[in-house]
Amino acid sequence: QKEVEQDPGPLSVPEGAIVSLNCTYSNSAFQYFMWYRQYSRKGPELLMYTYSSGNKEDGRFTAQVDKSSKYISLFIRDSQPSDSATYLCAMMGTNAGKSTFGDGTTLTVKP
Amino acid sequence: EADIYQTPRYLVIGTGKKITLECSQTMGHDKMYWYQQDPGMELHLIHYSYGVNSTEKGDLSSESTVSRIRTEHFPLTLESARPSHTSQYLCASSNSLGLAGENIQYFGAGTRLSVL
Repeated sequence: QKEVEQDPGPLSVPEGAIVSLNCTYSNSAFQYFMWYRQYSRKGPELLMYTYSSGNKEDGRFTAQVDKSSKYISLFIRDSQPSDSATYLCAMMGTNAGKSTFGDGTTLTVKP
Repeated sequence: EADIYQTPRYLVIGTGKKITLECSQTMGHDKMYWYQQDPGMELHLIHYSYGVNSTEKGDLSSESTVSRIRTEHFPLTLESARPSHTSQYLCASSNSLGLAGENIQYFGAGTRLSVL
């Protein structure tokens, strides 16, 4: 079983919708939780990261971590066609060096 | 904005050729990584380095080799390319920041390799 499981998608929503992207994990040592966005044929771009449990907001994006449930989410409000990409969750323990990535969820936002 | 550069962006090459994929970062990060990613598929860690003269194999076995002679440079070499090496290769770097030891990875744009 993988340490990080990500909702597989693909996900298709109309412009303006609220999108929820989710990952679960099994390693209780994970302390840092990241979300990357990857456009087709490009490298992953760091969107947000959080340390431990809680919420973090950046514009239309909100990252949520629930360590008790080992569950993280990325919410996108007022989704735009430019948000169409693959979203990867990633996690690591303190001073681990290596991150463990989810397999990615492909999102399409239709105009 | 991450300053990590990969060259070439695209490479088409014949079977048996030796190739080197370049990766450089200007952020002074001590840790660097190479991932392999097929289209629409997950990232696979193939090599990583925690500093100069330190290299380790990743989770996915790879016939490639790496070197880390300078902090900013982490090239990946395939001695004899084969069609099975066709993939996208992504380089990343990270640093230990602050007391909590953040190691957030920043990625380059990738090299898309096709071996005929």
